[in-house]
Amino acid sequence: DAGVTQSPTHLIKTRGQQVTLRCSPKSGHDTVSWYQQALGQGPQFIFQYYEEEERQRGNFPDRFSGHQFPNYSSELNVNALLLGDSALYLCASSSLQGGVETQYFGPGTRLLVL
Amino acid sequence: AQTVTQSQPEMSVQEAETVTLSCTYDTSESDYYLFWYKQPPSRQMILVIRQEAYKQQNATENRFSVNFQKAAKSFSLKISDSQLGDAAMYFCAPLSSNTDKLIFGTGTRLQVFP
Repeated sequence: DAGVTQSPTHLIKTRGQQVTLRCSPKSGHDTVSWYQQALGQGPQFIFQYYEEEERQRGNFPDRFSGHQFPNYSSELNVNALLLGDSALYLCASSSLQGGVETQYFGPGTRLLVL
Repeated sequence: AQTVTQSQPEMSVQEAETVTLSCTYDTSESDYYLFWYKQPPSRQMILVIRQEAYKQQNATENRFSVNFQKAAKSFSLKISDSQLGDAAMYFCAPLSSNTDKLIFGTGTRLQVFP
């Protein structure tokens, strides 16, 4: 049973560029949440996707957008990158159909903005 | 808004000994869940244990157990028979059944000495 997967593992971009990160949920899960973890901090919730819609959103600007596909996989897009966007981006999957369920995390994508 | 406080930035324990990591949280929700995750240097966030707030019985998972004091909004993690592989950052994270998003504390770095 494959767990949550994310790609790429590492990424280097320059200010102003755009980036797309990808996540495939654990088998049987229908919900994907994205978190940003700055160095030395706990993860911060960005947004959550369920049934291809953004269900919840944290305190992040509109430069951060996402998408969920019919197979439940998800993308996180960040436009006009800033130095402060350098962080570990974590994807977590869960199943809302079964009520509140545990979120399982992928290995993360380390983004460095120069 | 929910807040989480982990007052111990760093803890250390000798192999085979017991250590307790503390966590307090603030929430106005009546229906929520509490999680402990560990994050080793590999960065993958790994579930340690889960507690439903409506359950009075403290959760236990092998060498890991919690002391959940709902009125005090306290959720500490006890690790018994500590092993070298337990060395990691530990995050406490409540999850509201209304918002379904995890709110993370700042983490406690646990070192395990042989």
